[in-house]
Amino acid sequence: NAGVMQNPRHLVRRRGQEARLRCSPVKGHSHVYWYRQLPEEGLKFMVYLQKENIIDESGMPKERFSAEFPKEGPSILRIQQVVRGDSAAYFCASSPPTGTGNTEAFFGQGTRLTVV
Amino acid sequence: GEDVEQSLFLSVREGDSSVINCTYTDSSSTYLYWYKQEPGAGLQLLTYIFSNMDMKQDQRLTVLLNKKDKHLSLRIADTQTGDSAIYFCAEGANTGFQKLVFGTGTRLLVSP
Repeated sequence: NAGVMQNPRHLVRRRGQEARLRCSPVKGHSHVYWYRQLPEEGLKFMVYLQKENIIDESGMPKERFSAEFPKEGPSILRIQQVVRGDSAAYFCASSPPTGTGNTEAFFGQGTRLTVV
Repeated sequence: GEDVEQSLFLSVREGDSSVINCTYTDSSSTYLYWYKQEPGAGLQLLTYIFSNMDMKQDQRLTVLLNKKDKHLSLRIADTQTGDSAIYFCAEGANTGFQKLVFGTGTRLLVSP
């Protein structure tokens, strides 16, 4: 039973390019979360999605960042016109549907984005 | 707002016990978690405790919760060099989803 899969593991983009980060949740998990970890800091919540719905995007920057979790396929975190300050590790986590009694979120290994 | 604080660094010798401390501010937190992050890796859930518990033990790990002081600690018995990593505490509310607030992490260095 595969865990949360993120790709790519490492991504280098020039300033102004777009970055697309992918996350495949644990099979059967319908909740996906994206977190950002800046160097030497803890993880900060960005967005919580269920299939085809954004539930909570209170941690997302207002511009350039978007996320989706389509009916089919992985969740995508998209960063347009990247800047150096976007360099960070981006972690995806997934959890089972509400009401299953399981409170654990499983994290992927992260995508390390470097903007040059 | 919500805030979780940890000391930045802890150094111990192999075989000693390690105690990593954490304070949080959100009294509505329902779950408190400890995660381990090794270099270049993701987060591994070590253990968690419900806010109505005082203590939880799991093999070499002991979690103590002082809800009055909003203080959480993780004790690792017989610390090994393989325990060297960054340890994050995190708090979450029982809202049905895992919007966690993380501390800045404590870097544990275990020397032989």
